[in-house]
Amino acid sequence: GENVEQHPSTLSVQEGDSAVIKCTYSDSASNYFPWYKQELGKRPQLIIDIRSNVGEKKDQRIAVTLNKTAKHFSLHITETQPEDSAVYFCAASIEGNNRLAFGKGNQVVVIP
Amino acid sequence: DTAVSQTPKYLVTQMGNDKSIKCEQNLGHDTMYWYKQDSKKFLKIMFSYNNKELIINETVPNRFSPKSPDKAHLNLHINSLELGDSAVYFCASSQEGLSRYNEQFFGPGTRLTVL
Repeated sequence: GENVEQHPSTLSVQEGDSAVIKCTYSDSASNYFPWYKQELGKRPQLIIDIRSNVGEKKDQRIAVTLNKTAKHFSLHITETQPEDSAVYFCAASIEGNNRLAFGKGNQVVVIP
Repeated sequence: DTAVSQTPKYLVTQMGNDKSIKCEQNLGHDTMYWYKQDSKKFLKIMFSYNNKELIINETVPNRFSPKSPDKAHLNLHINSLELGDSAVYFCASSQEGLSRYNEQFFGPGTRLTVL
């Protein structure tokens, strides 16, 4: 099955700086890559996703890039703010398949 | 107008007891899931149902038994609770064909503590 690796496991950044989280996946058939954000004590929520037919997608301060050849994708957060502090999960799946393979999560701490 | 709801939010119980967690979604989704999130925050899929039929059944002890009376509900019953069952359990749902294909909507979670 699909195996998603996520690193680093924790990341501390100064407010206003950028944060980058990288994930790798094993199954070349995977074609859908979402990112979920989980604030402390809350539920995971989808923040951005990308399909394999595009290399980059942006939504305000967040962006995701995908390198299909290398089988890795990254989440970029610019101008970080304290409310960006959370655990971020990457995931991979094949569209039409209900199973999402989650990475182990990355704790991002934005230092004011 | 909660999309995915779970009850109870907190559950504290003794080892060996049997307990149930209920989940309901009002999104009209066909697929529902149970995840276990341990203290290290790892989200592990346990089960998935599509239109009341089991489609994913990971390596989970048979003390865990999901039940889906209809496609809007997926309950989780746990027999003979053990210390290692302590975790946060999340219910989720999804629907093919929406603009955010495969997006999973999570419930608020149930924190289970086994003493």
